[in-house]
Amino acid sequence: KQEVTQIPAALSVPEGENLVLNCSFTDSAIYNLQWFRQDPGKGLTSLLLIQSSQREQTSGRLNASLDKSSGRSTLYIAASQPGDSATYLCAVSAAGNKLTFGGGTRVLVKP
Amino acid sequence: DAGVTQSPTHLIKTRGQHVTLRCSPISGHKSVSWYQQVLGQGPQFIFQYYEKEERGRGNFPDRFSARQFPNYSSELNVNALLLGDSALYLCASSLDPSGRAWETQYFGPGTRLLVL
Repeated sequence: KQEVTQIPAALSVPEGENLVLNCSFTDSAIYNLQWFRQDPGKGLTSLLLIQSSQREQTSGRLNASLDKSSGRSTLYIAASQPGDSATYLCAVSAAGNKLTFGGGTRVLVKP
Repeated sequence: DAGVTQSPTHLIKTRGQHVTLRCSPISGHKSVSWYQQVLGQGPQFIFQYYEKEERGRGNFPDRFSARQFPNYSSELNVNALLLGDSALYLCASSLDPSGRAWETQYFGPGTRLLVL
């Protein structure tokens, strides 16, 4: 059974600092790994998708890496802004496209 | 193009009642999945439907059921509500559930259910 863990559960940084969010999964037989953003009480917004054959993906200030053999992914957010405050969720997809989510990391960027 | 839509946005029910939640996928998407997100936790997979057939079911009791209509919209039904069913219910759509590595799922805004 796939299990996804995100550490830390919460993170508070001053504006301008780089953010590093970690995600680990137990079963390396995945199709892809996705990072989502969730604002309080809202749905999920997809940030980055890394296919199982890829090592990293970049979009603007966001960079996500994937090490499938060790079951780890890291999301980097450069030069954080107060608008980056949200919960960040990682999810892995196996056959059938069912997503297994981690518990999320709640991020607060202080002005 | 409209994204995934869900209705209602909020709902309050009492224990023992029944609830129906609705989802319309992105135009052209034929697969709909349902997830339950309890406060402070990540979403948990409930069901996946494709072309009106159930393709996957998570570890939820039989009180939970769903169906998909010919226009690919979907309903999630929960009977005999319990306090623990209070959660944000998320619907996600995708082209098909074959699990192609480049394919993402698109989530709706969710329905917040409170059971008193």
